[in-house]
Amino acid sequence: GAGVSQSPRYKVAKRGQDVALRCDPISGHVSLFWYQQALGQGPEFLTYFQNEAQLDKSGLPSDRFFAERPEGSVSTLKIQRTQQEDSAVYLCAAGTLDTDTQYFGPGTRLTVL
Amino acid sequence: SQQGEEDPQALSIQEGENATMNCSYKTSINNLQWYRQNSGRGLVHLILIRSNEREKHSGRLRVTLDTSKKSSSLLITASRAADTASYFCATTLGGSNYKLTFGKGTLLTVNP
Repeated sequence: GAGVSQSPRYKVAKRGQDVALRCDPISGHVSLFWYQQALGQGPEFLTYFQNEAQLDKSGLPSDRFFAERPEGSVSTLKIQRTQQEDSAVYLCAAGTLDTDTQYFGPGTRLTVL
Repeated sequence: SQQGEEDPQALSIQEGENATMNCSYKTSINNLQWYRQNSGRGLVHLILIRSNEREKHSGRLRVTLDTSKKSSSLLITASRAADTASYFCATTLGGSNYKLTFGKGTLLTVNP
């Protein structure tokens, strides 16, 4: 595709529910990143994939957060037993190995009630 | 934790004026990038400047980098209403050429 797409764009969850957020990166972009952006803040790094390998998950805030990219293309960020502090915009970005530029999707706004 | 800090937090100008935003960071970097985020949208890459560069231009954008002061500035000349957005600086740190560390951003409003 022409750009990074994410779905759903908006998600409302009740506290304790599990959610799954999807990212479709740019075709051929081997690098995939997830960021969390709280209201009024800049994005914060969560995790990084190179193809299907998760090379860095140091930014995941707790073991309730899990990300996968099984075939090296589409990625899913799963949050188990959501809490109110998980409310944020979750951004996915794609990149290539020969540039530091990242191409961002529109994000998924998660609201936990 | 956030590495960069933009200044000012908010800036309001008239169309046609120039806008200058600053970014300070704490540790040594590989490069520094500026991104724009319109309300409700993802981030759009504007420009990248490497640690061994001092100035870079792209259209109406001019970026400077002073590694001795650990600071960067983004100048937008002849601003337009469509430039209204939040602007973020992001760095990749020494030893990591992929992980972007963002500041809190500057909210720029360009009034028609």
